Amino acid sequence: KAGVTQTPRYLIKTRGQQVTLSCSPISGHRSVSWYQQTPGQGLQFLFEYFSETQRNKGNFPGRFSGRQFSNSRSEMNVSTLELGDSALYLCASSFGDRVNEQFFGPGTRLTVL
Amino acid sequence: GNSVTQMEGPVTLSEEAFLTINCTYTATGYPSLFWYVQYPGEGLQLLLKATKADDKGSNKGFEATYRKETTSFHLEKGSVQVSDSAVYFCALRGPGAGSYQLTFGKGTKLSVIP
Repeated sequence: KAGVTQTPRYLIKTRGQQVTLSCSPISGHRSVSWYQQTPGQGLQFLFEYFSETQRNKGNFPGRFSGRQFSNSRSEMNVSTLELGDSALYLCASSFGDRVNEQFFGPGTRLTVL
Repeated sequence: GNSVTQMEGPVTLSEEAFLTINCTYTATGYPSLFWYVQYPGEGLQLLLKATKADDKGSNKGFEATYRKETTSFHLEKGSVQVSDSAVYFCALRGPGAGSYQLTFGKGTKLSVIP
């Protein structure tokens, strides 16, 4: 069974640009969550999609947005990039309940110059 | 809101030493508790979980017991190996409405030396 895949694995952008990251969940999983990982703030929840609807959102500015498609694949977009957006962005998929685990992808390393 | 506090380390141990990584949490009700591990350059992997008080999660020689009275979920292993070197994250998922996301601790970096 294929795991969670994220593309691209690495990205370099400059301030002011925008970026789109992609996540393909494990087959059968309907929930996709996104997390930002930085050395200073650790792992922080961005948002979660379940059956194409945003079900929960973390405390991030509106520059961070996402969506989920009918095949459960998800994208997140960051507009007007800032230096502080440099981070590892992790995607996790699950069946969408509160008990079963979330399976994480390898992440996309975003560097903003 | 929910929060997780874990010892930040780094922790350096010799091979075959005993490992404890402390984790305490703040949450309303009975959250589910998890330990994740992250190896260099990789995403997070679930190590073990517990979903109700007094549950013991175990995997690959690691154990953690859900202690409601002390709001703790400490990770232990009796004999660590070099291959256990990684960053360990304690996390919870709250029981409240909308609480599907994980809340993580800051992570504890473990280095095991031969």
